[in-house]
Amino acid sequence: KAGVTQTPRYLIKTRGQQVTLSCSPISGHRSVSWYQQTPGQGLQFLFEYFSETQRNKGNFPGRFSGRQFSNSRSEMNVSTLELGDSALYLCASSLQGGLYQPQHFGDGTRLSIL
Amino acid sequence: AQKITQTQPGMFVQEKEAVTLDCTYDTSDQSYGLFWYKQPSSGEMIFLIYQGSYDEQNATEGRYSLNFQKARKSANLVISASQLGDSAMYFCAMREPPQFGNAGNMLTFGGGTRLMVKP
Repeated sequence: KAGVTQTPRYLIKTRGQQVTLSCSPISGHRSVSWYQQTPGQGLQFLFEYFSETQRNKGNFPGRFSGRQFSNSRSEMNVSTLELGDSALYLCASSLQGGLYQPQHFGDGTRLSIL
Repeated sequence: AQKITQTQPGMFVQEKEAVTLDCTYDTSDQSYGLFWYKQPSSGEMIFLIYQGSYDEQNATEGRYSLNFQKARKSANLVISASQLGDSAMYFCAMREPPQFGNAGNMLTFGGGTRLMVKP
Protein backbone atom coordinates (compact mmCIF):
# COMPACT_ATOMS: atom_id res chain seq x y z
CA LYS A 1 0.00 0.00 0.00
CA ALA A 2 1.46 3.35 -0.99
CA GLY A 3 2.02 5.86 1.79
CA VAL A 4 1.14 9.51 1.96
CA THR A 5 2.71 11.38 -0.94
CA GLN A 6 3.58 15.04 -0.75
CA THR A 7 4.79 17.17 -3.62
CA PRO A 8 7.05 18.94 -4.10
CA ARG A 9 9.69 17.89 -1.56
CA TYR A 10 11.50 21.22 -1.67
CA LEU A 11 10.39 24.68 -2.68
CA ILE A 12 12.08 28.07 -2.70
CA LYS A 13 9.95 31.18 -2.98
CA THR A 14 10.33 34.90 -2.35
CA ARG A 15 8.29 37.15 -0.10
CA GLY A 16 4.93 38.12 -1.48
CA GLN A 17 4.57 35.09 -3.72
CA GLN A 18 2.04 32.34 -3.23
CA VAL A 19 2.55 28.60 -3.11
CA THR A 20 0.45 25.45 -3.45
CA LEU A 21 1.43 22.17 -1.82
CA SER A 22 -0.13 18.85 -2.69
CA CYS A 23 -0.89 15.76 -0.64
CA SER A 24 -2.18 12.36 -1.76
CA PRO A 25 -3.38 10.29 1.21
CA ILE A 26 -3.15 6.56 1.68
CA SER A 27 -5.74 4.82 -0.44
CA GLY A 28 -9.02 4.60 1.46
CA HIS A 29 -8.13 7.37 3.89
CA ARG A 30 -10.62 10.21 3.87
CA SER A 31 -9.21 12.50 6.55
CA VAL A 32 -6.27 14.70 5.63
CA SER A 33 -4.55 17.06 8.06
CA TRP A 34 -1.82 19.63 7.53
CA TYR A 35 0.87 20.72 9.98
CA GLN A 36 3.59 23.34 10.00
CA GLN A 37 6.85 22.46 11.72
CA THR A 38 9.45 25.06 12.64
CA PRO A 39 12.38 24.92 15.09
CA GLY A 40 10.86 27.69 17.19
CA GLN A 41 7.18 26.73 17.28
CA GLY A 42 7.39 22.97 16.86
CA LEU A 43 4.51 21.13 15.21
CA GLN A 44 1.45 23.27 14.74
CA PHE A 45 -1.86 22.11 13.35
CA LEU A 46 -3.15 23.99 10.32
CA PHE A 47 -6.38 22.30 9.29
CA GLU A 48 -8.12 19.00 8.65
CA TYR A 49 -10.31 18.00 5.74
CA PHE A 50 -12.80 15.17 5.59
CA SER A 51 -15.08 14.43 2.66
CA GLU A 52 -14.10 17.70 0.97
CA THR A 53 -15.08 19.75 4.03
CA GLN A 54 -12.80 21.57 6.41
CA ARG A 55 -13.57 20.02 9.75
CA ASN A 56 -10.87 21.50 11.97
CA LYS A 57 -8.87 24.68 11.80
CA GLY A 58 -5.81 25.75 13.74
CA ASN A 59 -4.80 29.24 14.70
CA PHE A 60 -3.27 30.49 11.47
CA PRO A 61 -4.04 33.62 9.43
CA GLY A 62 -6.36 33.52 6.44
CA ARG A 63 -3.34 33.47 4.11
CA PHE A 64 -3.26 29.75 4.79
CA SER A 65 -6.03 27.85 3.06
CA GLY A 66 -6.69 24.40 1.79
CA ARG A 67 -9.09 22.19 0.00
CA GLN A 68 -9.83 18.53 -0.54
CA PHE A 69 -10.99 16.87 -3.71
CA SER A 70 -13.45 14.05 -4.18
CA ASN A 71 -10.59 11.52 -4.40
CA SER A 72 -9.40 12.75 -0.95
CA ARG A 73 -6.31 14.41 -2.36
CA SER A 74 -5.67 17.73 -0.68
CA GLU A 75 -3.91 20.96 -1.49
CA MET A 76 -2.69 23.69 0.79
CA ASN A 77 -2.18 27.24 -0.39
CA VAL A 78 -0.24 30.04 1.24
CA SER A 79 -0.62 33.52 -0.22
CA THR A 80 1.53 36.59 0.26
CA LEU A 81 4.42 34.58 1.64
CA GLU A 82 6.38 35.92 4.59
CA LEU A 83 9.85 34.98 5.81
CA GLY A 84 8.26 33.31 8.84
CA ASP A 85 6.44 30.87 6.58
CA SER A 86 9.70 29.02 6.02
CA ALA A 87 9.00 25.60 7.49
CA LEU A 88 8.49 21.91 6.91
CA TYR A 89 4.86 21.34 5.94
CA LEU A 90 3.60 17.89 6.80
CA CYS A 91 0.47 16.22 5.55
CA ALA A 92 -1.10 13.29 7.38
CA SER A 93 -3.98 11.00 6.58
CA SER A 94 -6.17 8.62 8.55
CA LEU A 95 -9.21 6.53 7.74
CA GLN A 96 -11.81 8.91 9.10
CA GLY A 97 -9.95 11.03 11.63
CA GLY A 98 -11.31 8.88 14.43
CA LEU A 99 -10.19 9.37 18.00
CA TYR A 100 -8.24 6.11 18.09
CA GLN A 101 -6.96 6.12 14.52
CA PRO A 102 -3.29 6.99 14.02
CA GLN A 103 -2.36 9.56 11.43
CA HIS A 104 0.20 8.55 8.84
CA PHE A 105 2.48 11.27 7.58
CA GLY A 106 4.12 12.09 4.30
CA ASP A 107 7.77 13.06 3.93
CA GLY A 108 6.86 16.74 4.00
CA THR A 109 7.50 19.75 1.80
CA ARG A 110 10.35 21.95 2.92
CA LEU A 111 9.48 25.54 2.02
CA SER A 112 12.14 28.24 2.10
CA ILE A 113 11.26 31.91 1.71
CA LEU A 114 13.99 34.26 0.54
CA ALA B 1 -1.33 25.10 29.94
CA GLN B 2 0.51 22.74 27.65
CA LYS B 3 -1.59 19.82 26.48
CA ILE B 4 1.40 17.55 25.95
CA THR B 5 4.63 17.96 27.88
CA GLN B 6 7.87 16.22 27.07
CA THR B 7 10.35 17.31 29.70
CA GLN B 8 13.49 15.79 28.16
CA PRO B 9 14.75 17.94 25.28
CA GLY B 10 17.62 15.53 24.65
CA MET B 11 18.75 12.14 25.87
CA PHE B 12 21.66 9.81 25.34
CA VAL B 13 21.43 6.03 25.58
CA GLN B 14 24.01 3.35 25.05
CA GLU B 15 23.39 0.95 22.19
CA LYS B 16 21.51 -2.20 23.29
CA GLU B 17 20.21 -0.57 26.46
CA ALA B 18 16.58 0.36 27.17
CA VAL B 19 15.43 3.97 27.36
CA THR B 20 12.27 5.68 28.58
CA LEU B 21 10.99 8.89 27.00
CA ASP B 22 8.60 10.83 29.20
CA CYS B 23 5.24 12.28 28.20
CA THR B 24 2.54 13.83 30.35
CA TYR B 25 -0.73 15.13 29.03
CA ASP B 26 -3.58 17.32 30.14
CA THR B 27 -7.19 16.74 29.21
CA SER B 28 -10.59 16.81 30.86
CA ASP B 29 -12.03 14.36 28.35
CA GLN B 30 -12.51 10.71 29.27
CA SER B 31 -12.02 9.53 25.70
CA TYR B 32 -8.72 10.24 24.00
CA GLY B 33 -5.92 8.57 22.10
CA LEU B 34 -2.19 8.79 22.75
CA PHE B 35 0.38 8.35 20.00
CA TRP B 36 4.13 8.29 19.63
CA TYR B 37 5.95 9.29 16.47
CA LYS B 38 9.59 9.14 15.41
CA GLN B 39 11.13 11.79 13.18
CA PRO B 40 14.62 11.02 11.78
CA SER B 41 16.77 13.86 10.50
CA SER B 42 15.35 13.30 7.02
CA GLY B 43 12.06 14.75 8.25
CA GLU B 44 9.42 12.09 7.77
CA MET B 45 7.15 11.40 10.73
CA ILE B 46 6.85 7.68 11.48
CA PHE B 47 3.97 6.33 13.57
CA LEU B 48 5.26 4.00 16.31
CA ILE B 49 2.59 3.07 18.81
CA TYR B 50 -0.84 4.04 20.10
CA GLN B 51 -2.82 3.76 23.36
CA GLY B 52 -6.52 4.42 23.83
CA SER B 53 -7.74 5.98 27.04
CA TYR B 54 -9.91 2.97 27.83
CA ASP B 55 -7.23 0.38 27.08
CA GLU B 56 -6.31 -1.45 30.26
CA GLN B 57 -3.23 -3.13 28.86
CA ASN B 58 -0.13 -1.17 27.95
CA ALA B 59 0.41 -1.10 24.20
CA THR B 60 3.42 -2.91 22.74
CA GLU B 61 4.78 -2.93 19.21
CA GLY B 62 8.02 -4.81 18.73
CA ARG B 63 10.76 -3.03 20.70
CA TYR B 64 8.37 -0.21 21.60
CA SER B 65 6.03 -0.24 24.57
CA LEU B 66 3.91 2.46 26.10
CA ASN B 67 3.83 2.79 29.87
CA PHE B 68 0.34 4.21 30.36
CA GLN B 69 -0.52 5.57 33.80
CA LYS B 70 -3.94 7.14 33.44
CA ALA B 71 -4.27 8.54 36.95
CA ARG B 72 -0.94 10.33 36.59
CA LYS B 73 -1.76 11.32 32.99
CA SER B 74 1.48 9.95 31.68
CA ALA B 75 2.23 7.91 28.57
CA ASN B 76 5.94 7.15 28.51
CA LEU B 77 7.56 5.42 25.56
CA VAL B 78 9.97 2.60 26.35
CA ILE B 79 12.42 1.48 23.68
CA SER B 80 14.16 -1.77 24.47
CA ALA B 81 17.54 -2.81 23.09
CA SER B 82 18.33 0.57 21.51
CA GLN B 83 19.85 0.58 18.05
CA LEU B 84 21.87 3.26 16.26
CA GLY B 85 18.94 3.76 13.90
CA ASP B 86 16.78 4.82 16.84
CA SER B 87 18.59 8.16 16.95
CA ALA B 88 15.86 10.67 16.08
CA MET B 89 13.31 13.11 17.47
CA TYR B 90 10.41 11.46 19.26
CA PHE B 91 7.03 13.14 19.59
CA CYS B 92 4.17 12.30 21.91
CA ALA B 93 0.71 13.32 20.67
CA MET B 94 -2.85 13.23 21.96
CA ARG B 95 -6.09 13.09 20.05
CA GLU B 96 -9.13 14.55 21.77
CA PRO B 97 -12.79 14.96 20.87
CA PRO B 98 -13.78 18.17 19.02
CA GLN B 99 -12.77 21.40 20.74
CA PHE B 100 -13.48 25.10 20.37
CA GLY B 101 -16.16 24.83 17.72
CA ASN B 102 -14.26 22.42 15.52
CA ALA B 103 -16.07 19.39 14.18
CA GLY B 104 -13.28 16.83 14.20
CA ASN B 105 -10.92 15.28 16.66
CA MET B 106 -7.82 17.33 17.41
CA LEU B 107 -4.27 15.96 17.44
CA THR B 108 -1.80 17.93 19.57
CA PHE B 109 1.94 17.27 19.71
CA GLY B 110 4.48 17.76 22.44
CA GLY B 111 7.76 19.56 21.90
CA GLY B 112 9.69 16.36 21.27
CA THR B 113 12.72 14.58 22.72
CA ARG B 114 15.90 14.14 20.73
CA LEU B 115 17.30 10.67 21.38
CA MET B 116 20.92 9.93 20.57
CA VAL B 117 22.14 6.34 20.67
CA LYS B 118 25.83 5.91 21.41
CA PRO B 119 27.75 2.97 19.92
